[in-house]
Amino acid sequence: AQSVSQHNHHVILSEAASLELGCNYSYGGTVNLFWYVQYPGQHLQLLLKYFSGDPLVKGIKGFEAEFIKSKFSFNLRKPSVQWSDTAEYFCAVLPLRNEKLTFGTGTRLTIIP
Amino acid sequence: DVKVTQSSRYLVKRTGEKVFLECVQDMDHENMFWYRQDPGLGLRLIYFSYDVKMKEKGDIPEGYSVSREKKERFSLILESASTNQTSMYLCASSLSRRVFGRKIPNDYNEQFFGPGTRLTVL
Repeated sequence: AQSVSQHNHHVILSEAASLELGCNYSYGGTVNLFWYVQYPGQHLQLLLKYFSGDPLVKGIKGFEAEFIKSKFSFNLRKPSVQWSDTAEYFCAVLPLRNEKLTFGTGTRLTIIP
Repeated sequence: DVKVTQSSRYLVKRTGEKVFLECVQDMDHENMFWYRQDPGLGLRLIYFSYDVKMKEKGDIPEGYSVSREKKERFSLILESASTNQTSMYLCASSLSRRVFGRKIPNDYNEQFFGPGTRLTVL
């Protein structure tokens, strides 16, 4: 069965700092990868996704993620964070021949103004 | 826009009560899912359904059951609520990859989530 690791449980940054949140998965086959975000008091919503093609994917609000197949990683990045990026971020993996999404444990991001 | 709605945002129940959590989606999605979200544990899949009257166990099905009588509705049932079932419950839906005769673009499989139900069992 697949699994997802997010090693950073809580990250605290100042505004304008650069962000990188780690995500590693374990699964031997082809996968689709996702980052979801949950702002305080709001729905879980999709930030970005990788299905095929260019391993560098761009999402909403200036976020991007790079799929490195050899490292089984899909790290999330943003060059300059804002206070409004304060949220919880979840990485998820969906094997190609499966309907079940497996989530990581989440990373809580706090941005200090 | 896909809309997934859940019957309650907050619910307080007593130990031993039978609890029903309802979820409705309006985009004709085949797949529906129930998760629970707990701090430090992320989202864990309880049950999912890929068709009416079909269900499959997720990673933590113990103490729960589900019902899918109509395509748009997926219910989570706690037969006898216990305090360790206090949690945030999230419902989600997605298009299926299993639908024959219809070409589903590969990138249509994202899951859409409802607002969640925060259940407290006293």
